[in-house]
Amino acid sequence: AQSVTQLDSHVSVSEGTPVLLRCNYSSSYSPSLFWYVQHPNKGLQLLLKYTSAATLVKGINGFEAEFKKSETSFHLTKPSAHMSDAAEYFCVVSDSISSGYNKLIFGAGTRLAVHP
Amino acid sequence: DAGITQSPRYKITETGRQVTLMCHQTWSHSYMFWYRQDLGHGLRLIYYSAAADITDKGEVPDGYVVSRSKTENFPLTLESATRSQTSVYFCASSEYQPLNTGELFFGEGSRLTVL
Repeated sequence: AQSVTQLDSHVSVSEGTPVLLRCNYSSSYSPSLFWYVQHPNKGLQLLLKYTSAATLVKGINGFEAEFKKSETSFHLTKPSAHMSDAAEYFCVVSDSISSGYNKLIFGAGTRLAVHP
Repeated sequence: DAGITQSPRYKITETGRQVTLMCHQTWSHSYMFWYRQDLGHGLRLIYYSAAADITDKGEVPDGYVVSRSKTENFPLTLESATRSQTSVYFCASSEYQPLNTGELFFGEGSRLTVL
């Protein structure tokens, strides 16, 4: 079975400094990987996705993530944090279940705080 | 307005009562999902549906019932609520098989408290 681990439950940065949110996955085959963002009292929104094309994936709002198979990682980065980036971020991996329908497996989430 | 809407947004109920959470989407997406979000667990899949009249269990289906008589609606019923079902519930939809695109469109959630 596949799984995903977000290494930090909370990350705090100052506005204008880089953001790094770490995600490791386990998979018995080539996975599809995603990052979702959840702003307070809102639903989740897709930030970016990796589906076996380019290993460096660019998403919305200046975020990007790099798929590293050797390290089984898919870390999310942004060069310069903005106050509006404060949210919870979920790393997600795809999986297949017995019925043949695929599903998404969510990590526990990383709460990003951005300070002035 | 187009989108996916959940109701009620907030609900307080008592142990043993039946509760139904509604989900409505205007995109005619084939796939619909119910997740629960609990601290430290991320989102866990309760039930999903690939089309009208086709539903299947997810990771944590016990205590829940779903139906999908129309493409646009996917209600979730807690037949006899328990305190362990206190959670935030998210409905989501997708036009395609999520493995291919990964993109689910989420409602804003329904916060349920069971006393």
